[in-house]
Amino acid sequence: EAQVTQNPRYLITVTGKKLTVTCSQNMNHEYMSWYRQDPGLGLRQIYYSMNVEVTDKGDVPEGYKVSRKEKRNFPLILESPSPNQTSLYFCASSLSRGRKETQYFGPGTRLLVL
Amino acid sequence: LAKTTQPISMDSYEGQEVNITCSHNNIATNDYITWYQQFPSQGPRFIIQGYKTKVTNEVASLFIPADRKSSTLSLPRVSLSDTAVYYCLVAGNTGGFKTIFGAGTRLFVKA
Repeated sequence: EAQVTQNPRYLITVTGKKLTVTCSQNMNHEYMSWYRQDPGLGLRQIYYSMNVEVTDKGDVPEGYKVSRKEKRNFPLILESPSPNQTSLYFCASSLSRGRKETQYFGPGTRLLVL
Repeated sequence: LAKTTQPISMDSYEGQEVNITCSHNNIATNDYITWYQQFPSQGPRFIIQGYKTKVTNEVASLFIPADRKSSTLSLPRVSLSDTAVYYCLVAGNTGGFKTIFGAGTRLFVKA
């Protein structure tokens, strides 16, 4: 089944404790992306990746890191989480970033930083 | 990147047709218009995509006028399960590779 998976689905952590949220897709998609969603603010893009080893900042990259060492995986790293990073996070992928792109979203990761 | 504007919220009743309009005045020649649906605590999912005129699938119709500065998502005979947030997205090869979702339209379907 074609899908985007994220782990963990729920995470409670404390300020400053490094964490990684994994994202994997099995559709051989080139374009992958991370979003955060907060009440009243909609979906905001954190980072995206056009292909392996090619990443770039979205609209809200501060406090986050990403890597794309393999085509299927695009982990989101919070080196020193802070309470303002408490949010619902979505990973997404699409075949390419172009005119007719359709993004497929993962189930989301709900993060609480105390 | 083309900025989109949608109504913040809409109410409807079961069985009615719902039309949600999105404005995208600075859409580029190569841009397609894509609509996503999102249920609470779930990721958005693709509904429909078009470039011009009319597109129809088993879920919805998309109407795009000749100037392409707006588009209308039409949901026929909505049910309670259509209560969700609907996002209009304009994407293309121009203007970089970021993706910007607007605030979306929160549709509430009542019995």
